[in-house]
Formats: sequence, structure tokens, C-alpha cells
Amino acid sequence: SQQGEEDPQALSIQEGENATMNCSYKTSINNLQWYRQNSGRGLVHLILIRSNEREKHSGRLRVTLDTSKKSSSLLITASRAADTASYFCATDDKFYFGSGTKLNVKP
Amino acid sequence: DAGVTQSPTHLIKTRGQQVTLRCSPKSGHDTVSWYQQALGQGPQFIFQYYEEEERQRGNFPDRFSGHQFPNYSSELNVNALLLGDSALYLCASSQGLAHEQYFGPGTRLTVT
Repeated sequence: SQQGEEDPQALSIQEGENATMNCSYKTSINNLQWYRQNSGRGLVHLILIRSNEREKHSGRLRVTLDTSKKSSSLLITASRAADTASYFCATDDKFYFGSGTKLNVKP
Repeated sequence: DAGVTQSPTHLIKTRGQQVTLRCSPKSGHDTVSWYQQALGQGPQFIFQYYEEEERQRGNFPDRFSGHQFPNYSSELNVNALLLGDSALYLCASSQGLAHEQYFGPGTRLTVT
């Protein structure tokens, strides 16, 4: 079964708005990672959050982790058209990815 | 500093044939993982190599095998190709077994 599952499956917003996507997982983890994938290309590592961290920032990205609920969220602030991509979470337990959230940022 | 490289970029094979895909990890990385990504789906973990040994394996049949060389580069071999093996094959490297992964651009395999 999948370890990381993202929701929503698709998200469409206007440029400048914030985008929030969520990830749930099933087992204990040491860390959780978020990736971005532009259409049909390799994945780009965005941020890694360790199990003893609750929140992490990187530029316009903010990631939270709730190990009691086995969930994480990725917030992209002040979105840009260039943020249009699929976003995936993955845990360090066999690196299972979900189907991703497809984000479309309209200019 | 070269990132993860994969070859070839695209490949077309016929059912029943065998294919070998290649991956060179990012400089300083010693662990390589392989993933299969079907269209519209997330990457599916195939296996991970560290110290030239397969360390973890996902739910893939024995037709999928791999190898890691002393210079940390890796190969993915798929035997007896099926139409369903058509996908983007991604290689990722990391420093150690549980660290953040860096992905290559992938090899697009089409089986006809």
C-alpha cells in the first residue's frame, strides 16, 4: 500500500494566492520529503523535514509535520505561474510516493 | 558539480526484449534508487542499492534486476518486456540510505 498520499489530487489557483497541499502516511518515519515534478521530467527535491521537527521554511515554502496524525502539509505562499507542477511527498520508509497533487497556477 | 545523469533519454523496445538503463549518481552520493513512473501516477519504488548490494526492494517481479558498480553508478535491467513496462524510469541518488534524494531526468521507455 502507498505510504505517502497527497490531497487534493488537483488544485487550481490564481497567481499570488497561497496553495496548500496535504500528505498522509502510514508508518513511523525518520523524515518526510516533498518533491516537485514538472510535466514528464525528473523530480526536484524541495524540502526534508525530520520526525523531531514540527515546521520548516524554505523561501516561499512552509512544511509542517504532525507525527501524531501521520500527516504533513506543504504551503506555497504568493504562488507564481512557474509553480505549476505536480507535488509529491515521500517518507524514508522505502520511499513510497503518492499520486501527487497537480497544482495549476493561473497567471 | 554534475547532478544525477541517466541514459538513454528515450528508448523503444519490443515485447519480450530486454533493456538496460544506466544512472550516474550526483558527486559524493553512494546510494542509488530506481523508480518506475507510469503516466499520471507517482513514482513506484523498484529497489535501492548501497555498497553494491540491493538493500530494499519494492513490489516488482524478478524481471527487474539491478547492479551497482564500485564507482556508485548503477544499471537497471528489465527482462521479457511487457507493454505495461512502458513508463518513465527515474534514478535517484543520496548520501546514505535515508537521506534526501536527488533525481535524474529519467529514461522514457516505450514497449511496443
